[in-house]
Amino acid sequence: EAQVTQNPRYLITVTGKKLTVTCSQNMNHEYMSWYRQDPGLGLRQIYYSMNVEVTDKGDVPEGYKVSRKEKRNFPLILESPSPNQTSLYFCASSFLLPRQGDEKLFFGSGTQLSVL
Amino acid sequence: GESVGLHLPTLSVQEGDNSIINCAYSNSASDYFIWYKQESGKGPQFIIDIRSNMDKRQGQRVTVLLNKTVKHLSLQIAATQPGDSAVYFCAENGGGNEKLTFGTGTRLTIIP
Repeated sequence: EAQVTQNPRYLITVTGKKLTVTCSQNMNHEYMSWYRQDPGLGLRQIYYSMNVEVTDKGDVPEGYKVSRKEKRNFPLILESPSPNQTSLYFCASSFLLPRQGDEKLFFGSGTQLSVL
Repeated sequence: GESVGLHLPTLSVQEGDNSIINCAYSNSASDYFIWYKQESGKGPQFIIDIRSNMDKRQGQRVTVLLNKTVKHLSLQIAATQPGDSAVYFCAENGGGNEKLTFGTGTRLTIIP
């Protein structure tokens, strides 16, 4: 089944403790992206990647890192989490780059992160 | 900066009636628009899309209308069902940006 898989679904951590949220897609998509969703603010893009070893900042990249060593995986890293990073996070992927005209993003099920 | 927004944060519709969800955008360079549905506890799911060279596009029970003159997008859902209860997001690609910009969402509630 074609899907975007995120882990974990729920995570509670403390300020300053490094964490990684994994994301994997099995659709051979070039484009992958991370979003955070906060009440009243919708989905805001954190980082995106257009292919292996190519990553770029989105609208709210501060406090986050990503890597794209393989096409299928796009982990989100919080080196020193803070309470304002408490949010619902979504990983997404698409077969073609948005500029090329097929922007149908497929989303994972989300990761609810709480930073105490 | 450019933004995508929705007129109403919540909408309640009687089961079986039609619903219309509206979206305004401000980026005149936007040439591609998408509607997503997000059910509770799930990630957004693609519903329908439309390009700026079209005014209307129909899917199964859904229709998207695009009015480029007033930069307005709408999603019409015919004969609503309980399963249509969700948050609906519009998104736009700002005509060359490598990302989608999402609106804040409208919560649609279907009343039995």
